[in-house]
Amino acid sequence: KNEVEQSPQNLTAQEGEFITINCSYSVGISALHWLQQHPGGGIVSLFMLSSGKKKHGRLIATINIQEKHSSLHITASHPRDSAVYICAPLVSGSRLTFGEGTQLTVNP
Amino acid sequence: DGGITQSPKYLFRKEGQNVTLSCEQNLNHDAMYWYRQDPGQGLRLIYYSQIVNDFQKGDIAEGYSVSREKKESFPLTVTSAQKNPTAFYLCASNLDRGGNQPQHFGDGTRLSIL
Repeated sequence: KNEVEQSPQNLTAQEGEFITINCSYSVGISALHWLQQHPGGGIVSLFMLSSGKKKHGRLIATINIQEKHSSLHITASHPRDSAVYICAPLVSGSRLTFGEGTQLTVNP
Repeated sequence: DGGITQSPKYLFRKEGQNVTLSCEQNLNHDAMYWYRQDPGQGLRLIYYSQIVNDFQKGDIAEGYSVSREKKESFPLTVTSAQKNPTAFYLCASNLDRGGNQPQHFGDGTRLSIL
């Protein structure tokens, strides 16, 4: 069983829809990253959080350390949000472990 | 602008050849990492370095080697011992060795076997 499970694996939405991507993990962690990978392959860090909720523009990330669960929400989705979103818990020191990613496609 | 530069973007290797992937950062970060990404799988850690002249094996180090002679550079060599080298390779760095800061990623190198 993977240490990190993301759902769904693939998600197609219409522009303007509210998006939720979920991440569950089985190991103890101190923090969790949400990453965005564009079609060319480059990765950008969206959030790093260890408790509660963080918001950046239309993106919101939440985490419940006790329940070992995190969610990434996108409000008013746009085609430019189309990318792979990766959950990456921080398991020890500065080492990350990674989910397989959620492929999001937002259609105009 | 500060960032991580990986080169080349695409790389082809013949059977039995060693190839070296370049990773340079001008962020003054102490920690640097190499990951491998295969279709349908999460990123996996190959090697990491938290300080110059020191590095540790990650989860899939066999068939790979690294060096960290300078703070800004962390090249990865894919040796002929790596039997399935075709993959997307990502380099990352982190200001904080303790992981309290986000990792910064390069744009990756796609390696293929001829």
